[in-house]
Amino acid sequence: QQQVKQSPQSLIVQKGGISIINCAYENTAFDYFPWYQQFPGKGPALLIAIRPDVSEKKEGRFTISFNKSAKQFSLHIMDSQPGDSATYFCAARITSGSARQLTFGSGTQLTVLP
Amino acid sequence: DARVTQTPRHKVTEMGQEVTMRCQPILGHNTVFWYRQTMMQGLELLAYFRNRAPLDDSGMPKDRFSAEMPDATLATLKIQPSEPRDSAVYFCASGLGQGLTDTQYFGPGTRLTVL
Repeated sequence: QQQVKQSPQSLIVQKGGISIINCAYENTAFDYFPWYQQFPGKGPALLIAIRPDVSEKKEGRFTISFNKSAKQFSLHIMDSQPGDSATYFCAARITSGSARQLTFGSGTQLTVLP
Repeated sequence: DARVTQTPRHKVTEMGQEVTMRCQPILGHNTVFWYRQTMMQGLELLAYFRNRAPLDDSGMPKDRFSAEMPDATLATLKIQPSEPRDSAVYFCASGLGQGLTDTQYFGPGTRLTVL
């Protein structure tokens, strides 16, 4: 129930195209859903996040769509650029008392072709 | 530009040796997380501290791993004895641990290779 399933494992998109990465979860106790971007040799960095009381959040070219009833959320990258080439992780956070833990998806390696 | 720092960045050691990884959280942050990243398992949470107290270390093999925070500016992850299956990138992250949307800031990681 702690798992977060992410797809696809890898994605190749042409410059200017839309990149879409999907995640699904089972545990309805998750209360926060961040996306992280990781470049080779670097640690993950928070990209955008959403709470389950919101269906969509947009920041620049990045949009999270959240479907609470389906227990799914997705990251859309509009006008994808070669600089967006990285590994993207979705995550879900659970709060238990004073402890908060992130469970990460398996990651999607995005390649944006010039 | 506040950052989480980790040392060493790379470590190669032989099986059976002790390994100590260090993390300096962002000044003022009160939560510290240790993660392990491998190709097979992805990102796994090993341990989690708040205000220097361990809140959860259920993801950590207890027989060989230990995590401590001797003070607010230093977190350590120790493996003794190390095994080849411990080869991974170990990330430390810190956060403020306040509110629903507290953010974790990741360090650059320590790449550990156990031969």
